[in-house]
Amino acid sequence: AQSVTQLGSHVSVSEGALVLLRCNYSSSVPPYLFWYVQYPNQGLQLLLKYTTGATLVKGINGFEAEFKKSETSFHLTKPSAHMSDAAEYFCAVSPSGATNKLIFGTGTLLAVQP
Amino acid sequence: GAGVSQSPSNKVTEKGKDVELRCDPISGHTALYWYRQSLGQGLEFLIYFQGNSAPDKSGLPSDRFSAERTGGSVSTLTIQRTQQEDSAVYLCASSPEYQETQYFGPGTRLLVL
Repeated sequence: AQSVTQLGSHVSVSEGALVLLRCNYSSSVPPYLFWYVQYPNQGLQLLLKYTTGATLVKGINGFEAEFKKSETSFHLTKPSAHMSDAAEYFCAVSPSGATNKLIFGTGTLLAVQP
Repeated sequence: GAGVSQSPSNKVTEKGKDVELRCDPISGHTALYWYRQSLGQGLEFLIYFQGNSAPDKSGLPSDRFSAERTGGSVSTLTIQRTQQEDSAVYLCASSPEYQETQYFGPGTRLLVL
């Protein structure tokens, strides 16, 4: 069965600092990989996704993630944090080749300090 | 264009009552998903509809939970004889056929007293 692990339920960075949110997955075959962001009292918004092709994917709001098959990782980064990035971030996988259910990690709450 | 909408946005009910939660997907999206977000369990898949195919109900936690999708569009999630552990945010998502991105609604926050 596929699973997703997000290391660090809470991450705090200073404004302008690098953001690194970690995600590892377990799957017998490379799945589709996603990062979603959730602002307070709102639904989930897609930041970026990896399906096939280039392993470095760029998303909205300056975020990017790199799919590393050898490490079964899909870490999310942003070079310079902004106050507006404070939110909860979820990594998710779905079986490749099928539009199917998403399996989510437990989420990482990002705080940005002034 | 209009996104996924859900109603009600908040629902407070008493233990043992039935509740219905509604989801209006993005027009033209053939796939529809329900998820539950709770403090103890995180984000969990509940059920998936794709066109006229039989739904994937593998995530429904008990037989008190059911869902239907009428006319390939609007979906209703029904929880019978609600329990306090049903308190959660219920999220709906939709996606176009053969596309992997799911678009989420704002959720319904359910509180069972």
